[in-house]
Amino acid sequence: KAGVTQTPRYLIKTRGQQVTLSCSPISGHRSVSWYQQTPGQGLQFLFEYFSETQRNKGNFPGRFSGRQFSNSRSEMNVSTLELGDSALYLCASSFGLAGQTDTQYFGPGTRLTVL
Amino acid sequence: LAKTTQPISMDSYEGQEVNITCSHNNIATNDYITWYQQFPSQGPRFIIQGYKTKVTNEVASLFIPADRKSSTLSLPRVSLSDTAVYYCLVGRPALYSSASKIIFGSGTRLSIRP
Repeated sequence: KAGVTQTPRYLIKTRGQQVTLSCSPISGHRSVSWYQQTPGQGLQFLFEYFSETQRNKGNFPGRFSGRQFSNSRSEMNVSTLELGDSALYLCASSFGLAGQTDTQYFGPGTRLTVL
Repeated sequence: LAKTTQPISMDSYEGQEVNITCSHNNIATNDYITWYQQFPSQGPRFIIQGYKTKVTNEVASLFIPADRKSSTLSLPRVSLSDTAVYYCLVGRPALYSSASKIIFGSGTRLSIRP
């Protein structure tokens, strides 16, 4: 069974631009969660989508948004990029709602650099 | 959500058993304890999960005392490839929490030496 895939793997943008990241979950998984990881803040939860609906949301500004499609694939969008948005963005999928007991399977991440 | 506290870093040697303890004093009745492993520039990987007493799988054991206010991840006979960051998470199944945000703590950076 193929794992979680994320595209692109690396991305360089400039301040003020917007970016869209893509995640394809494991086949049959219905939940996709997004995380931001930085050396200073660690691994922070952004949001979770389940059956095309956002179910949970972390403490991030509205510039961070996402969506999920009927095939469970998900996209994350960041508008008006700031230098502080440089991070590794991780996507994780699980069969049911992730909560904190459903095993999450993480993708390799997208390394975003904002110049 | 129960907050977790782990040592920032630990060092050990190949072939040794490593025990990483996580404190979660405010754990709730329905909360489970889950551990993830993360290598540099990769996403975290599930290691083990438990509710009480002891859980063992092919890579690790998880010991949870009766009061459940702490848990210990035990890695038998570590190798260099076990060098990674280990995260302890505490939370309840989505069934009991309509808005369970997933919180990863700072994790424990484990370094294994030859």
